[in-house]
Amino acid sequence: EAGVAQSPRYKIIEKRQSVAFWCNPISGHATLYWYQQILGQGPKLLIQFQNNGVVDDSQLPKDRFSAERLKGVDSTLKIQPAKLEDSAVYLCASSSRLANEQFFGPGTRLTVL
Amino acid sequence: GENVEQHPSTLSVQEGDSAVIKCTYSDSASNYFPWYKQELGKRPQLIIDIRSNVGEKKDQRIAVTLNKTAKHFSLHITETQPEDSAVYFCAASLEYGNKLVFGAGTILRVKS
Repeated sequence: EAGVAQSPRYKIIEKRQSVAFWCNPISGHATLYWYQQILGQGPKLLIQFQNNGVVDDSQLPKDRFSAERLKGVDSTLKIQPAKLEDSAVYLCASSSRLANEQFFGPGTRLTVL
Repeated sequence: GENVEQHPSTLSVQEGDSAVIKCTYSDSASNYFPWYKQELGKRPQLIIDIRSNVGEKKDQRIAVTLNKTAKHFSLHITETQPEDSAVYFCAASLEYGNKLVFGAGTILRVKS
């Protein structure tokens, strides 16, 4: 089966600019996650979707981050405006309804200058 | 909420030796504990996982042990090889599609 797809793979922006990331989960996976991985740390969950509904966004900085999964398949994560501390790898993962295993995409490496 | 601590942060072993990485968790309700391997610049990949109804699980050279009373679990890699060099993350979650809370990671270096 095809894996989780993400784009772009790399993005460099200046602070206060906006950026958007895209994720296409494994076909049939109802649950989609966005994680932020700062260099030298473990991934931290930003938001979790079950189909097109938000399950957990408790750690999403809602003043600047937003995410949607309108049709319950693809998802976009947006940062507006970006700060220096947003420099990180943004990982998308998906899992099926009946299994715990989360499959990760290759990530988008964001550098904010 | 859940908090996962992982030790050591770096680990160097000689090829052929064993490596052990330990994690503790805070939420006694957590019952799913995966381990991910992440090579430089690549995505995390699941290498083994364990559920709370099992005390130990083994897959070839890797094994995971879980002590629910003490709230800690460990990854054991035997007969280490250079290709085992990577960052290893432990994580904890509730069952069925809940978020993973990750440890800070362990950089494993296997010297040949």
